[in-house]
Amino acid sequence: GAVVSQHPSWVICKSGTSVKIECRSLDFQATTMFWYRQFPKQSLMLMATSNEGSKATYEQGVEKDKFLINHASLTLSTLTVTSAHPEDSSFYICSAREGLSGDTIYFGEGSWLTVV
Amino acid sequence: GENVEQHPSTLSVQEGDSAVIKCTYSDSASNYFPWYKQELGKGPQLIIDIRSNVGEKKDQRIAVTLNKTAKHFSLHITETQPEDSAVYFCAANQAGTALIFGKGTTLSVSS
Repeated sequence: GAVVSQHPSWVICKSGTSVKIECRSLDFQATTMFWYRQFPKQSLMLMATSNEGSKATYEQGVEKDKFLINHASLTLSTLTVTSAHPEDSSFYICSAREGLSGDTIYFGEGSWLTVV
Repeated sequence: GENVEQHPSTLSVQEGDSAVIKCTYSDSASNYFPWYKQELGKGPQLIIDIRSNVGEKKDQRIAVTLNKTAKHFSLHITETQPEDSAVYFCAANQAGTALIFGKGTTLSVSS
């Protein structure tokens, strides 16, 4: 099946710094990518929907100035957590939809962020 | 927007038994219903999906049923094995939109 790659798989950063997570579709073009956040033993919560070449659409309660999403190409979307705080520590997962009309969504392996 | 409810939250079965996980959804416009298996520390892995024009789909030991009238769908795992132990999530969406997930079911298969 299609592959979605996330990098880094885990990262530790200091409070107040920013960290970038990359999401790449390796063998297909992803016009739409989605970013989720998952706390331990909880479900995946949608943060934002990212369309190539346009601004991301954020879910209610998600600060767009804190979680910067860029989808500059059909194979790459990035999530930047700015001025990170310990409460931002979480598992961040991206997913990508294949093509314009495909409904199958593929997930990356996730990125563990720990803010100390 | 869409809301997906999933039950049970935990399920323990003996190896070889069947396991059933049920989900309901709220948005009648939803037409795609995937199931994901997530192992600790990893991203979700698609195990089976069903679209609204189909009532049932089977892939070896895994099957999914959909009742559009009642707005519920179920995952059935037969002949469970210890390696089936994981967290399972149901999800729903309209084609092209983001998946909305249930809260997950932790399945434990004991040998």
